[in-house]
Formats: sequence, structure tokens, C-alpha cells
Amino acid sequence: QVTLKESGPVLVKPTETLTLTCTVSGFSLSNARMGVSWIRQPPGKALEWLAHIFSNDEKSYSTSLKSRLTISKDTSKSQVVLTMTNMDPVDTATYYCARISVVVAAAFDYWGQGTLVTVSS
Amino acid sequence: QSVLTQPPSASGTPGQRVTISCSGSSSNIGSNYVYWYQQLPGTAPKLLIYRNNQRPSGVPDRFSGSKSGTSASLAISGLRSEDEADYYCAAWDDSLGVFGGGTKLTVL
Repeated sequence: QVTLKESGPVLVKPTETLTLTCTVSGFSLSNARMGVSWIRQPPGKALEWLAHIFSNDEKSYSTSLKSRLTISKDTSKSQVVLTMTNMDPVDTATYYCARISVVVAAAFDYWGQGTLVTVSS
Repeated sequence: QSVLTQPPSASGTPGQRVTISCSGSSSNIGSNYVYWYQQLPGTAPKLLIYRNNQRPSGVPDRFSGSKSGTSASLAISGLRSEDEADYYCAAWDDSLGVFGGGTKLTVL
């Protein structure tokens, strides 16, 4: 059974760095046919893709947020970590991690439940 | 401002057929697969369509997808009350993920 679960702070202050962890089970981060993306959704707004990482450590970042994002993985712990620097209230959102699978033509086939992060002083 | 363009809302009565459009460009929809996700209120998105028109196992055949050029559409036939949700189209643009702004489907 494939599951993904996001964890991290529920509240961060402006200018702080956010660190989110996605812990996966039911598949391996070393699987060449899988990757993990981070996607966020501000309250009442649309989904926004942030970054992804694959088993070969290939990474991509949103063009608009590239300077603030870092994605990494610890295969032995089955974890993918996203850091976002210089947080601002506009970054308040539910942050999801999702599996990318070549089996379904690189779709996000499994999603975590999401974690709401509020940016406020 | 989302990269892919969707109508903000759509509606239909039970049993009707509704379609939701998604417009992009040559660098995303025009040259890559389109995906559709359903997000029920208060839940995470769920994959509905991949590779333009393929359904994952468990997705009813009432849902169908199509693509032509730089546009795509999702059709839902035999509309049911439980289909009331937000629907998002998505694609890859080079190696970057892009989403539509979402369409809120109301079942009247």
C-alpha cells in the first residue's frame, strides 16, 4: 500500500526557513520509475507545483521560487525534504507531497494528506 | 495566474454530461500529456485521467479525457452528486509541472 505523509511546522514566522518532510511507504525512493513532487495550495486557491526529485537525484524547481527552494532525499529513511527560505504570509498554504510514476506517464498518482503551514508573526 | 487556463466554474444536473476545458501552449499541452485531478472538499487531489485519456483503475468510465493541439477537456457523463468537486488539469512544461486554475463543478 502506497502512502505519503507530510510533516513539519504548522506555524512559521516571516523571514524564517520552512522545512517539510515527506515520509513515503509502499515504494522505494531508489525506484527508477518513481519520483516525488511537492505541490502547494493556498486557502481557496489553485494547486501550484513547487519541485520534484527522482531516484537518480535529478531535481527541478518552480521558476518563480527556484531561488528559495531546495529539495533532497534520504533513501534509507524513505524521506524527501523540502526547504523554503524567507517565508512570507503569501506562502501560507497546504503543502502536499505526491508520487510521480512512470507507470501512469509521470502523473501524480498518490498524494499525501497535506499539511497546512501558516506564515504569521 | 495559472499557466493552464480553465473556466472557474461549471454546473449540471444529475444525469447530464458536462465538459471542462483546459487551454495551454505548445510547450506544455502541445507537446506533453495532460492529466486531470479531482479534489473533493477538504481532501487531497486524486488522479482522474493520465496520458490525456487513460483512467487509473477504480475511476468510473463516466470520466473521459481528450486532447487536441494545445487544449484538452474532461467530460463527465451521467453526472452524480458525488462528482461535485474541484477539477484541475495539469501537464509538464519541459521538466516543470504546471496546473490549471481549477474548475469548481456544482451538481444542481
